[in-house]
Amino acid sequence: DGGITQSPKYLFRKEGQNVTLSCEQNLNHDAMYWYRQDPGQGLRLIYYSQIVNDFQKGDIAEGYSVSREKKESFPLTVTSAQKNPTAFYLCASRTGKNEQYFGPGTRLTVT
Amino acid sequence: AQKITQTQPGMFVQEKEAVTLDCTYDTSDPSYGLFWYKQPSSGEMIFLIYQGSYDQQNATEGRYSLNFQKARKSANLVISASQLGDSAMYFCAMREGGTSYGKLTFGQGTILTVHP
Repeated sequence: DGGITQSPKYLFRKEGQNVTLSCEQNLNHDAMYWYRQDPGQGLRLIYYSQIVNDFQKGDIAEGYSVSREKKESFPLTVTSAQKNPTAFYLCASRTGKNEQYFGPGTRLTVT
Repeated sequence: AQKITQTQPGMFVQEKEAVTLDCTYDTSDPSYGLFWYKQPSSGEMIFLIYQGSYDQQNATEGRYSLNFQKARKSANLVISASQLGDSAMYFCAMREGGTSYGKLTFGQGTILTVHP
């Protein structure tokens, strides 16, 4: 089945540790995105990538880093520099018709 | 200024009735797209419907239709014949043309509760 997978669904980390969230898609989409959602809020863009080996900062990139070494994969690292890392993280990819499809998300809790 | 405004924090509807969720947007870009997503309690974002700024007709997808009023900059979602499974958070989002690279800007969302 084609789709976007994110793992794990729930992630717990201690403050000061970096953590990497996985995002994989087998839809052959070029563009991929990372969004953050806080409780009761809409989504905000962290990073996006239009093609392999290229990515751009979104609206709230501070404290995050990404890589795009393969078309299928767009991992997000939440670094210790991110002041409020506890949130729900959603990965998306975009079709040629500009429709964005989302993965199931990862809930990150940092204590 | 907010680019996407959803003024209804919560809405209630009786099963089998229709409901309209409001969305207004703000952009000076002539080329843009408007999206609606459904987010159930599980958290996944489910794509519902898309309207392009140059589309002549209102978009429809099954029980979902988008009431696009360009002059008013509104893009309301209409759900007909509501079902219990429609209870969820609904987000309106906009993609602006130019160099936005497909970035979506989201509204704050509307929680829809369908009563039996």
